[in-house]
Amino acid sequence: EAGVTQFPSHSVIEKGQTVTLRCDPISGHDNLYWYRRVMGKEIKFLLHFVKESKQDESGMPNNRFLAERTGGTYSTLKVQPAELEDSGVYFCASSQAPSYEQYFGPGTRLTVT
Amino acid sequence: LAKTTQPISMDSYEGQEVNITCSHNNIATNDYITWYQQFPSQGPRFIIQGYKTKVTNEVASLFIPADRKSSTLSLPRVSLSDTAVYYCLVGDNFNKFYFGSGTKLNVKP
Repeated sequence: EAGVTQFPSHSVIEKGQTVTLRCDPISGHDNLYWYRRVMGKEIKFLLHFVKESKQDESGMPNNRFLAERTGGTYSTLKVQPAELEDSGVYFCASSQAPSYEQYFGPGTRLTVT
Repeated sequence: LAKTTQPISMDSYEGQEVNITCSHNNIATNDYITWYQQFPSQGPRFIIQGYKTKVTNEVASLFIPADRKSSTLSLPRVSLSDTAVYYCLVGDNFNKFYFGSGTKLNVKP
């Protein structure tokens, strides 16, 4: 069974540009999460989808970040416009109730120059 | 939210048992203790979860004393491939994990 996949693995963009990260959860998993680790900091929760609905987006840093999960399958996280402090690794995870275990993808390394 | 404290790093040798202790003095009644492992350039990976006493699976054991103010992750007979960062997470919301700084375990030959 394929695990959580993320695309791209690495993205380098200039400040002010737009970037879209994609996450494909494990097939059948209703729960999808985004986390990120910015340089030197801890991994922080961004938001949680249940199917196509945003259940908790309390961790989203500001309105430059937009997450979507149309159709309840894959999810995208768009950063527009990107700022230098957005550089870091963005992780996606998925899970399926009643299991509490979150399966993480390998992450997308975003570098904003 | 219960704050966790772990050693920043630990060294061990192949074949040894490694015990990583996490302090969580303010753990709440409904909180569970979860441990994740992370290798470089990978996402975190679930190891084990428990509420009290002892939990064991094919990878590790988790020891939780009666007061639950700390927990110890035990890795039996570590190998070089166990070199990773280990995170102790405490909470009752399995849909929103809080990762601390973790413990960087370095296994030497």
